[in-house]
Amino acid sequence: SSELTQDPAVSVALGQTVRITCQGDSLRSSYASWYQQKPGQAPVLVFYGQNNRPSGIPDRFSASNSGNTASLTITGAQAEDEADYYCNSRDSSGYHLNRVFGGGTKLTVL
Amino acid sequence: EVQLVQSGAEVKKPGESLRISCKGSGYSFTTYWISWARQKPGKGLEWMGRIDPSDSYTNYSPSFQGHISISDDKSIGTAYLQWSSLQASDTAIYYCARHTPKGDHDYDDYWGQGTLVIVSS
Repeated sequence: SSELTQDPAVSVALGQTVRITCQGDSLRSSYASWYQQKPGQAPVLVFYGQNNRPSGIPDRFSASNSGNTASLTITGAQAEDEADYYCNSRDSSGYHLNRVFGGGTKLTVL
Repeated sequence: EVQLVQSGAEVKKPGESLRISCKGSGYSFTTYWISWARQKPGKGLEWMGRIDPSDSYTNYSPSFQGHISISDDKSIGTAYLQWSSLQASDTAIYYCARHTPKGDHDYDDYWGQGTLVIVSS
C-alpha cells in the first residue's frame, strides 16, 4: 500500500517555529489531515485540507503543501505542543478509497 | 456535543472471536462515516477501514482485509469492529473516529477514547 513518510523525531526550542513534514505520492493530488496525540490519549485533529483548522485549535498551527510533501508548521511552539504528530491521506497504490497514516513524528519542545 | 464512546477493554485468548463497539451521539449518525485505526503498544497509528452508515458500504486496508469486519447498526447509532479468530498480534488499542469523506481532503474530526484489546494465552 501507499506510504507516507515522516521524520521519526523533531525538536524545537520553546517559542520557536517548527515544521513537520509528510511525503508521499498521494499528496500530489490530495491534502493531508494532521493529528496530534499525547501519551495515553486519543488523537486530535489539528489541521485538514488546504486551510482548515478545527475549532479550538490554536492559530499557531498551520499547514501547507508542495508537490509530494505536506507540512504542518507550529509558529511559536509551546510546551503543551509536545506530542506525536501523524499525517493521513489517500492511498495512492490503487486502493483509491483507502487511507493511510504516516509513521508519526515525535515532537520535543526544549 | 458530538461524542464517540467505545466499549471497554477486552482480554481474549488466541482463536477467540470479538466484537467491539463505537457509539456516536450528538450528530446524525448516517451523515458521517466511521473509520477505525489500530495502535500497537509504543507504535504509530494504522488505518484499518471505514464504513458509511447510510448504506453500510465498507472499505478495508489491504493489511486488514479478510481478518476484520466492520459493520453498523444505524438504529442505535453504533459501529462495530469484529474478529472471528484473534491472534496475539492483534493486541493493541483500537480507535474509532467520525470520518468526513471529501474526496481530496478527508478528515476524522472526533475520536473515541480507544478500546484496549489484549490477546494472550
